[in-house]
Amino acid sequence: AQKITQTQPGMFVQEKEAVTLDCTYDTSDQSYGLFWYKQPSSGEMIFLIYQGSYDEQNATEGRYSLNFQKARKSANLVISASQLGDSAMYFCAMREAIKAAGNKLTFGGGTRVLVKP
Amino acid sequence: DVKVTQSSRYLVKRTGEKVFLECVQDMDHENMFWYRQDPGLGLRLIYFSYDVKMKEKGDIPEGYSVSREKKERFSLILESASTNQTSMYLCASSFFSPFTRTTYNEQFFGPGTRLTVL
Repeated sequence: AQKITQTQPGMFVQEKEAVTLDCTYDTSDQSYGLFWYKQPSSGEMIFLIYQGSYDEQNATEGRYSLNFQKARKSANLVISASQLGDSAMYFCAMREAIKAAGNKLTFGGGTRVLVKP
Repeated sequence: DVKVTQSSRYLVKRTGEKVFLECVQDMDHENMFWYRQDPGLGLRLIYFSYDVKMKEKGDIPEGYSVSREKKERFSLILESASTNQTSMYLCASSFFSPFTRTTYNEQFFGPGTRLTVL
């Protein structure tokens, strides 16, 4: 069963506006982590932001913020003041409970964002 | 900065060939991962390794094997390439700490190898 769902395959946003990318997840663990990665057309995956399940405050990193609603199992990414360089694929990922020696991620299908000038 | 390198950006092979994809990281990370990326499916985990000579199957291991003889190097092997293995392959590595308040344990990715099997 898919554990990470990104329902928006693609979206346009006007430059300088904010955009919200949806992510819902499914887990029975109490301890888990949520990540957002950006993948520009060049292909590299860039880590953007992290939210731990026990973190009481929503994570923020510069223009990126994570709207974490634990009861609804959602972890939406908000990009404020969009720039042309924000055009990329965005992936939500979940790390479930830390295992004895490592951690693996489960990724959603991604959302392609295109910023219009 | 963490650097994860992959041996090739583009690779074209024929059906039935044995294919080796190499990944090297320079930050002494314990964990290494191989994913394949296909449109609409996101990244799917093929294999991962917690330490040297250790390997664990991911979600789609069929048709693949891996090797980790040294900590910095993690190889993905396609024993007999097939056309349905045409994809983008991404390698990643991460530090591991059980104390998530000191580190996110985020994964650092290589540039990817786009493999075409004819």
